[in-house]
Amino acid sequence: AQKVTQAQTEISVVEKEDVTLDCVYETRDTTYYLFWYKQPPSGELVFLIRRNSFDEQNEISGRYSWNFQKSTSSFNFTITASQVVDSAVYFCALSPGMDSSYKLIFGSGTRLLVRP
Amino acid sequence: DVKVTQSSRYLVKRTGEKVFLECVQDMDHENMFWYRQDPGLGLRLIYFSYDVKMKEKGDIPEGYSVSREKKERFSLILESASTNQTSMYLCASSFPEAPETQYFGPGTRLLVL
Repeated sequence: AQKVTQAQTEISVVEKEDVTLDCVYETRDTTYYLFWYKQPPSGELVFLIRRNSFDEQNEISGRYSWNFQKSTSSFNFTITASQVVDSAVYFCALSPGMDSSYKLIFGSGTRLLVRP
Repeated sequence: DVKVTQSSRYLVKRTGEKVFLECVQDMDHENMFWYRQDPGLGLRLIYFSYDVKMKEKGDIPEGYSVSREKKERFSLILESASTNQTSMYLCASSFPEAPETQYFGPGTRLLVL
């Protein structure tokens, strides 16, 4: 079964706190991609990152960092020193294997609220 | 920058009406997608198209059809709208070189009364 689980439905933090959004995935494929998207109140999903299954190196982009661990099938997203503008719904997604390379399987999303 | 536009941000329709949702992308992408987004369920794929006049069913195609007459335009059609089709509809497109990396439009929030 191909599945993405975001167990945290909603997280509320105070500005400047660090916050980690969890993502656990299931797939039998050895080749796959993982993604994070941000959906601000305007509604448009904004692409944040793509990671392929052969690259377990962690990535940092400014205040954002991603921790990919194949051993635990997790692809967690950390925002350092959160800001009010980070308030959004964040989706983790899986693109499983070569045969279904068009498909994205989304988690149910985590709503992040950053309070001033 | 990739630009994906959707014809309406908000739509209100009555049960039984035929509804057209339009999506246009300006990056010459071959692949286009329609999703619906519901609370607690994330995004679910309705249909996708990998070329003009080509389409494939996604995970929840029932009650929907699509049309791709031109490369830049992908339409989602609700033949006879029902209240359970009240949802947010999101269109996406992707480069052929990286079909799994999708770029999304702003969404259409449809209310069926």
